[in-house]
Parts: sequence; C-alpha cells; structure tokens
Amino acid sequence: GENVEQHPSTLSVQEGDSAVIKCTYSDSASNYFPWYKQELGKRPQLIIDIRSNVGEKKDQRIAVTLNKTAKHFSLHITETQPEDSAVYFCAASRSGGNEKLTFGTGTRLTIIP
Amino acid sequence: GAVVSQHPSWVICKSGTSVKIECRSLDFQATTMFWYRQFPKQSLMLMATSNEGSKATYEQGVEKDKFLINHASLTLSTLTVTSAHPEDSSFYICSTIGGHYGYTFGSGTRLTVV
Repeated sequence: GENVEQHPSTLSVQEGDSAVIKCTYSDSASNYFPWYKQELGKRPQLIIDIRSNVGEKKDQRIAVTLNKTAKHFSLHITETQPEDSAVYFCAASRSGGNEKLTFGTGTRLTIIP
Repeated sequence: GAVVSQHPSWVICKSGTSVKIECRSLDFQATTMFWYRQFPKQSLMLMATSNEGSKATYEQGVEKDKFLINHASLTLSTLTVTSAHPEDSSFYICSTIGGHYGYTFGSGTRLTVV
C-alpha cells in the first residue's frame, strides 16, 4: 500500500518568513495530493491540492509543487502569519474511484511573532 | 459544498461499554465512508472503508469485531466501538468522497474511556 513520509515534524519560523514542508510517497499510481491544516480537536481543512498532471499550483500565499519522477511534493507558505500556526498534513490517493487517503505524519508549524 | 455531520462530538464512557458514532452526509449520497482514528499528536490512520450495502474493509491490525461499521444507507454510516477500553480513547473522524466535492470530513468524535 501507499506510504507517505513527511518532514520536518516540527517547524518554527519568524512571522513574515517562508515555511516549506516536504512529503514523499511510495505508490507510483497515486495521482492526487492534498494538503490539510488541522487545529486541535478539529477536522482537517483542505488548503490546497494538486493532481499528477500538474507540476505546481499556487493560491495566494500557499503553493504546492509536485515531482512525479522523484515521488515527492512540497507545501510552500510565504509571508507567514501567526494564524498559520497549526499542524499540517500531506496526503496521497489514487483518485478516480473511491480511493482512501493516506496521510503523512504531520508537521507542527509555529509562527513566531 | 458537501457536508458530513458527525455525532457525538465528544463522549465519555466506562470501560467495557459500547459507543456508537454516526456520520451523516447531508446533501449528497455517500457510497463510501472512510473511518480514521487519530491519537494525540499523531496522524490520521485509516481504520476501515465502508461501502453502502456491503461489508466494510478493515485495515491491517484493526479488529473488525471490535470496531463495527454499518453503512446501511447512502446517507448514514456508523462506527460502534464495542467493549471499549482506555486504549481506545482517541479522536475518531469519518470522511467521504463524492463527485466534485472531493474528500469531506466529519467534525470528529473525541472518545474518552474511563
């Protein structure tokens, strides 16, 4: 089955700086890669996603890049703000059917004011 | 967008009792429901996948007789934790997938077994 690794497990950055979180996956058939933000005791919230036919996607301060050959994808947050502090999870799945999401291990991001 | 309503949001039960968690899709037909468990400071781990009208598929290491899943209709899936023990205390969350909505998560259930 799919295995998703995520690094780093914790990340602290100064407010206004950029944060990068990286994930690797094992299943070459995976073609859907979402990123979620989760606050304590809450459901994961989708912040951005990318499909395997695209190499990069951007939404304001958030961007995701995908390297299918190397089987890794990254989340980039620019101009970080205190409200960006949360736990972030990457995930992978084979979309197109009722396919399960496999989550990475999570990154606790802390923005230092 | 799609909405999945999950109840209860938190529950405390005594060791040895059973607890039922419900997930309802409010505005679309959920043929598939995924059930995840999340221990503190850990990731979401898939427990099982249920499909409407058929038996659930459990992930390796998950006891199907302990975690009973029923998906009898296109709008309701339930997870029953039977003979709960303190080590079952966790955050349980359901998720479904449908059309252009992608993956939709319930709000989660915090289970504490005392």
